[in-house]
Amino acid sequence: EVQLVESGGGLVQPGRSMKLSCAASGFTFSNYGMAWVRQAPTKGLEWVATISYDGSSTYYRDSVKGRFTISRDNAKSTLYLQMNSLRSEDTATYYCTRGPLNYWGQGVMVTVSS
Amino acid sequence: DIQMTQSPSFLSASVGDRVTINCKASQNINKYLNWYQQKLGEAPKRLIYNTNNLQTGIPSRFSGSGSGTDYTLTISSLQPEDFATYFCLQHNSFPLTFGSGTKLEIK
Repeated sequence: EVQLVESGGGLVQPGRSMKLSCAASGFTFSNYGMAWVRQAPTKGLEWVATISYDGSSTYYRDSVKGRFTISRDNAKSTLYLQMNSLRSEDTATYYCTRGPLNYWGQGVMVTVSS
Repeated sequence: DIQMTQSPSFLSASVGDRVTINCKASQNINKYLNWYQQKLGEAPKRLIYNTNNLQTGIPSRFSGSGSGTDYTLTISSLQPEDFATYFCLQHNSFPLTFGSGTKLEIK
């Protein structure tokens, strides 16, 4: 059974950093591209970033380019999202997803507020 | 960026009804269109991938169609568990973009 478990969220002040992790199991992690998708409270879904199966290619939405970094450790079957210079508009539930967004984790809440 | 215009935003229907939800892309997305269902407090669940392929385990009352810029999700006979919010997603090109969602409510 595919499982994706996010961790690392919480309350953070504007301008500070936070790193999310996603532990994957139930499939061969190194065979799949992965992505982060977020959803602000009571809002729709917003794609954040994607990384290829081997980490050689990454893609970001414009609003996070230069601030967020997606990465992966295939030996640990773990996906990461390093978020720097956080803004209030980054407040959302962040979901870890596999491949063409077919499997999703339960999400982790990130609140950016002073 | 490809814009996804989803309609309607709200839909009120009864158990047993047939409903359709539409997504229009701002350019051709070559059938790279997925549909998701999201219930309150839960992660989205993929229903349909690449326009018309039913995700394993999803009931056959859900179907998808379309091509080019216009895509449709159809629920042939609504069941009580289908009342939720539905989103489309284009994955033809980056940035991936979602429709704004359709909230399906019980009439």
